[in-house]
Amino acid sequence: KQEVTQIPAALSVPEGENLVLNCSFTDSAIYNLQWFRQDPGKGLTSLLLIQSSQREQTSGRLNASLDKSSGRSTLYIAASQPGDSATYLCAVYRDDKIIFGKGTRLHILP
Amino acid sequence: GAVVSQHPSRVICKSGTSVKIECRSLDFQATTMFWYRQFPKQSLMLMATSNEGSKATYEQGVEKDKFLINHASLTLSTLTVTSAHPEDSSFYICSAHGSTAGYTQYFGPGTRLTVL
Repeated sequence: KQEVTQIPAALSVPEGENLVLNCSFTDSAIYNLQWFRQDPGKGLTSLLLIQSSQREQTSGRLNASLDKSSGRSTLYIAASQPGDSATYLCAVYRDDKIIFGKGTRLHILP
Repeated sequence: GAVVSQHPSRVICKSGTSVKIECRSLDFQATTMFWYRQFPKQSLMLMATSNEGSKATYEQGVEKDKFLINHASLTLSTLTVTSAHPEDSSFYICSAHGSTAGYTQYFGPGTRLTVL
């Protein structure tokens, strides 16, 4: 059974710092891995999708990496801003389903 | 492209009533739609998978008679919470993917259900 773990569960950092969010999964036989952002009471915003044949994706200040063999992915956020405060969810695709981690609640201190 | 909408965005109902939530793919044909539930400060949990024109497949522990799913067309799936109770209060999110989009799922904005 695929399990997705995100560490840390919560993180507070001063504005301007670079930070890394971690995601691990138990079954390396995945198709895609996707990082989402969720603001309180809102739906999901897709940030980056990494296909199984890829090792990383970049969008603006965000960079996500994928190491299938070790069952790990990281989301790197450069030069953090207060607007980055949200919950970040890691999700892995297996067959026709997505398994979500519990998320990391990020708070950027002004 | 690949936009998914949900309606309503928020609903409050009395205990014992039924509530219908709609999920629509606006610019693609969704061969498969998914329904998730999210409790406060928890992650999304898959409730069921529905394919157009066939019965939904429910995850273990999800009561199919309580959560009725209909996927009658390639752009619309509905989730009906029957005889709702306060413990059904949650955030319900749908997603969809089409045959041309591979396995990538596109998510709706969610529906906040509050049962009094």
